[in-house]
Amino acid sequence: AQKITQTQPGMFVQEKEAVTLDCTYDTSDPSYGLFWYKQPSSGEMIFLIYQGSYDQQNATEGRYSLNFQKARKSANLVISASQLGDSAMYFCAMREHTGNQFYFGTGTSLTVIP
Amino acid sequence: DGGITQSPKYLFRKEGQNVTLSCEQNLNHDAMYWYRQDPGQGLRLIYYSQIVNDFQKGDIAEGYSVSREKKESFPLTVTSAQKNPTAFYLCASSTPDRFIRSNQPQHFGDGTRLSIL
Repeated sequence: AQKITQTQPGMFVQEKEAVTLDCTYDTSDPSYGLFWYKQPSSGEMIFLIYQGSYDQQNATEGRYSLNFQKARKSANLVISASQLGDSAMYFCAMREHTGNQFYFGTGTSLTVIP
Repeated sequence: DGGITQSPKYLFRKEGQNVTLSCEQNLNHDAMYWYRQDPGQGLRLIYYSQIVNDFQKGDIAEGYSVSREKKESFPLTVTSAQKNPTAFYLCASSTPDRFIRSNQPQHFGDGTRLSIL
């Protein structure tokens, strides 16, 4: 079974609008961390935001927030007030406490339209 | 500034040739990783190492080899046995998750693009 599932291969959003990128995960480990990365066309991976399995509140970092629904095993990324520079690939990842591996989804390509 | 340095940025391989991709980190991280990314695809784990002189195969280790003689360095060799090596290769590092509430992400280098001549 896939550890991380991203079902949206491509998304479009109007500049200044908000967009939600979906991510669901699968683990039996009670302790885990969820991460979102941004990959521009230049290729580098930029860490955006983290959510721990025991965190009571949803994580926020500037225009990024994570909609964490533990019972549904979902960790959707919300980008508010989209900017042209947000156009990139976005990857959801998970790290279980029992190992040092990170599991990545297949990514969502976001295009911001002027 | 601490970070991960991958070199070269671009690499070309001739038929039957082995090539080595360099990855160096000065973040004092114990764990290091190599990923392969094909165009429009996600990251696939090739090898990872949790400590010096130890490493484990990932999902697509065939045709690749690694060494971890120093904490700072984790070079990847793409051997002639890897018949389709054209891809983007990313090296990453992280601290071990010794604490339940650890929030340490992976840090990535800028990648190496490998092509066949």
